[in-house]
Amino acid sequence: DAGITQSPRYKITETGRQVTLMCHQTWSHSYMFWYRQDLGHGLRLIYYSAAADITDKGEVPDGYVVSRSKTENFPLTLESATRSQTSVYFCASSAGQGNYNEQFFGPGTRLTVL
Amino acid sequence: GEDVEQSLFLSVREGDSSVINCTYTDSSSTYLYWYKQEPGAGLQLLTYIFSNMDMKQDQRLTVLLNKKDKHLSLRIADTQTGDSAIYFCAPAQGGYQKVTFGTGTKLQVIP
Repeated sequence: DAGITQSPRYKITETGRQVTLMCHQTWSHSYMFWYRQDLGHGLRLIYYSAAADITDKGEVPDGYVVSRSKTENFPLTLESATRSQTSVYFCASSAGQGNYNEQFFGPGTRLTVL
Repeated sequence: GEDVEQSLFLSVREGDSSVINCTYTDSSSTYLYWYKQEPGAGLQLLTYIFSNMDMKQDQRLTVLLNKKDKHLSLRIADTQTGDSAIYFCAPAQGGYQKVTFGTGTKLQVIP
C-alpha cells in the first residue's frame, strides 16, 4: 500500500538496550523527519534527511542515530535506551519542492523504556 | 530557534465556534500550517496560510494571521464532536523544509 509506515507500532524495552524504529515511505519524497511527542512539549524534531545519505540534527538529537541509505527508508536507532526516551515517535516525509512543504506522518511508534 | 506557543486545552459546546491561538517568534516564516491529530493517529495537514495573507477561509475553517504581532489563529465554525483532536500550529522557516510545531491544543467538544 502507498503511504508512510512505521514499525513496530508498540515497543517495550529495557534501559541500556539498543532499539531501532523503522520508517518506510512509498512516495519517493526527498525529505524525511523523525519527531518525538511528549505531553507539554508538542512535537520535537530529532533528525531529518534531505536525501539519501544526507542527514542533519534537529532539536533533540542526543542519544539517537539515523541513516538513510535508500530514499524510502529512514531508520532511527536508540543506541542505549534511557527512561527519558519513553515517548511516541513519529516519522514524516515531504516532497521538498519550493517553500510549501506539507509533511505526511506515519501512525507513530509508542516506545516504553523500563 | 523558533518558539511556538499554544494553550494546552480548549473546551467548547457542540455547535459553538472554537478559536485556537498560536504565537511564534520567527518573522521569516513563509508558510504557517495547522495540523490535526486524532486520538492514536499521526498528524494530518488541516489548512495553511501563506505569509503575505491576512486571512484564509476554507469551509468551516478560518485562519487569521497577524504578522506584526506574530499571532496565528484557527477558527472552527459550528464545532462538531468529530473535531475533537489536538491541533498543532506549525510555522515553516523561510527557505527550509523544517517546521517548528507548537505544543498542541487539545480541543474537547461537549455534546
